[in-house]
Amino acid sequence: EVQLVESGGDLVQPGGSLRLSCATSGFTFNSYEMTWVRQAPGKGLEWISYISSIGSTKYYADSVKGRFTISRDNDKNSLHLQMHSLRAEDTAMYYCARGGAYYWDWGQGTLVTVSS
Amino acid sequence: EVVMTQSPATLSVSPGERATLSCRASQSVSSNLAWYQQKPGQAPRLLIYDASTRATGIPARFSGIGSGTEFTLTISSLQSEDFAVYYCQQYNNWPPITFGQGTRLEIK
Repeated sequence: EVQLVESGGDLVQPGGSLRLSCATSGFTFNSYEMTWVRQAPGKGLEWISYISSIGSTKYYADSVKGRFTISRDNDKNSLHLQMHSLRAEDTAMYYCARGGAYYWDWGQGTLVTVSS
Repeated sequence: EVVMTQSPATLSVSPGERATLSCRASQSVSSNLAWYQQKPGQAPRLLIYDASTRATGIPARFSGIGSGTEFTLTISSLQSEDFAVYYCQQYNNWPPITFGQGTRLEIK
């Protein structure tokens, strides 16, 4: 059974930093592209970042470019999102998802709240 | 960036009836379109990819059709568990991947 479990979400002040993680199991992690998608409270889905299976290619939404960094550890079957310079508009549920173009499986999400 | 527009925003349908949800792209996305279902408090679930291919385990009452800029998701006979929010998503011209704003399917 495929499992994706996000962690690291928290309440953080504007300008702060957080590192999200996604622990995976049930599939051959190093064979799959991975993605982060977020959802602000009561809003729709927003794609924010992509990483290729070996980590050589990374893409970001304009809204997070230069502030967020995606990475993966294929030895530990984990995906990460380092977030800096957080803003109120980054408040959202953050989901990791298996896939690059469309998303076969999703984690349950981790909540990031940016507020003073 | 490809803008995805879903209609209607809210659709009220009785159980057992057919529901038809629409998704329009601002430019052609060929057949590179997916549909997701999201229930309250849950993560999205992949229903359809490549515009018309059902994902693993998705019941046959869900069907997708379309190409280019116009797409439709049909649920042939609504079950109670089908009332949720549905999103379309294009993956033809990316980055960025873009989603529609969602259609809320509610019980009439």
